[in-house]
Amino acid sequence: QSALTQPASVSGSPGQSITISCTGTSSDVGNYDLVSWYQQHPGKAPKLIIYEDIKRPSGLSNRFSGSKSGNTASLTISGLQAEDEADYYCSSYAGSSTWVFGGGTKLTVL
Amino acid sequence: QVQLVESGGGVVHPGRSLRLSCAASGFTFSNYAIHWVRQAPGKGLEWVAVITYDGSVKNYADSVKGRFTISRDNSKDTLFLQMNSLSANDTAVYYCAKDKGDRSYFDYWGQGTLVTVSS
Repeated sequence: QSALTQPASVSGSPGQSITISCTGTSSDVGNYDLVSWYQQHPGKAPKLIIYEDIKRPSGLSNRFSGSKSGNTASLTISGLQAEDEADYYCSSYAGSSTWVFGGGTKLTVL
Repeated sequence: QVQLVESGGGVVHPGRSLRLSCAASGFTFSNYAIHWVRQAPGKGLEWVAVITYDGSVKNYADSVKGRFTISRDNSKDTLFLQMNSLSANDTAVYYCAKDKGDRSYFDYWGQGTLVTVSS
């Protein structure tokens, strides 16, 4: 049950795009189409923003998109807005009824 | 709307026990797997445990296996986490999170309850 690897921080200016990577292994990210991404503002509960690698919950802005190649998943946020400043976590099903999270990425909107 | 409300957190001495609850509403509780996920102060998310819709399958992170027990009462739409032999490493906000189906991803989260293990 090793954590997925995310960059500790990323930053971008309003209107720009950023991408957060999430690297796992062939036992988790690379083996299931079950990578999900969560946004967490300070003091708040996480919120689902991407599921099943690339899908967006109903009603969520299309500025958020997910992708995956091999053992690495990515979250892209386009047209950065001030309210996007938050912590972002990836997660993957890892088989045998276990899940693993990434260490989290702090997004700063400059 | 889906609501998950955790309770039972507090300050507890090392080695003692605590039982958390998660009251669900807004969906058919008995149809979904439910998880516990925790977050130590200033740290990332850590998956803790899962229980399937009918309670037939339970699984735990290695860090809590043998000390924590997840259970559910579908007649009361409530999830539980019995935590024994607590240590400072268990200090965290504990969230219950609804699974989208049967062991997939976490589509709704509660607001969390803080457990502090301290002498």
